[in-house]
Amino acid sequence: GQSLEQPSEVTAVEGAIVQINCTYQTSGFYGLSWYQQHDGGAPTFLSYNGLDGLEETGRFSSFLSRSDSYGYLLLQELQMKDSASYFCAVLIYNQGGKLIFGQGTELSVKP
Amino acid sequence: ETGVTQTPRHLVMGMTNKKSLKCEQHLGHNAMYWYKQSAKKPLELMFVYSLEERVENNSVPSRFSPECPNSSHLFLHLHTLQPEDSALYLCASSQDRSGRAKTGELFFGEGSRLTVL
Repeated sequence: GQSLEQPSEVTAVEGAIVQINCTYQTSGFYGLSWYQQHDGGAPTFLSYNGLDGLEETGRFSSFLSRSDSYGYLLLQELQMKDSASYFCAVLIYNQGGKLIFGQGTELSVKP
Repeated sequence: ETGVTQTPRHLVMGMTNKKSLKCEQHLGHNAMYWYKQSAKKPLELMFVYSLEERVENNSVPSRFSPECPNSSHLFLHLHTLQPEDSALYLCASSQDRSGRAKTGELFFGEGSRLTVL
């Protein structure tokens, strides 16, 4: 089967940098995605890593290391609006592609 | 606004009721999904439709019955539910089965919050 592990909660202050880790156990997958979900809102796609290495999109970066079965989402210059839940998800080969989610990390940004 | 609209946003029903959740996507996508989100648990994939054909049923109890009449609309029919079925039900769409260009990019609606009494 497949499983993903993330910390359940992370707290940081405005302006800081925070890293949310994701470790996974899965056999064969296309890549690792990250989603953001504000309380009461829809999960929204943030980034995707199909290859090992770092992908940067503005204040957010995402990293994947297949050899370590590990990835992370890096948020820089934290803002209060970044307070949300963040989910990692692997896109597995099964039946043409299936997205398996982690349980999510609740990020609280303090003033 | 994600281009995926779900109704109703909130639903309270008894265990003997029959109700339906509706999802509509305005993105011209070919695949649609139902996910269940319970507190402190990962999003659980329930059903996948690709080009209006159901391609996956993730061992979901028969009291949940999906319907996809066309590529823009998806329903989840509910009957004789249990209190443990109370959760946020999320609909999502993608350009193809794997998300756009196999990036795992899904577009989610804001969900229907279901409470079963």
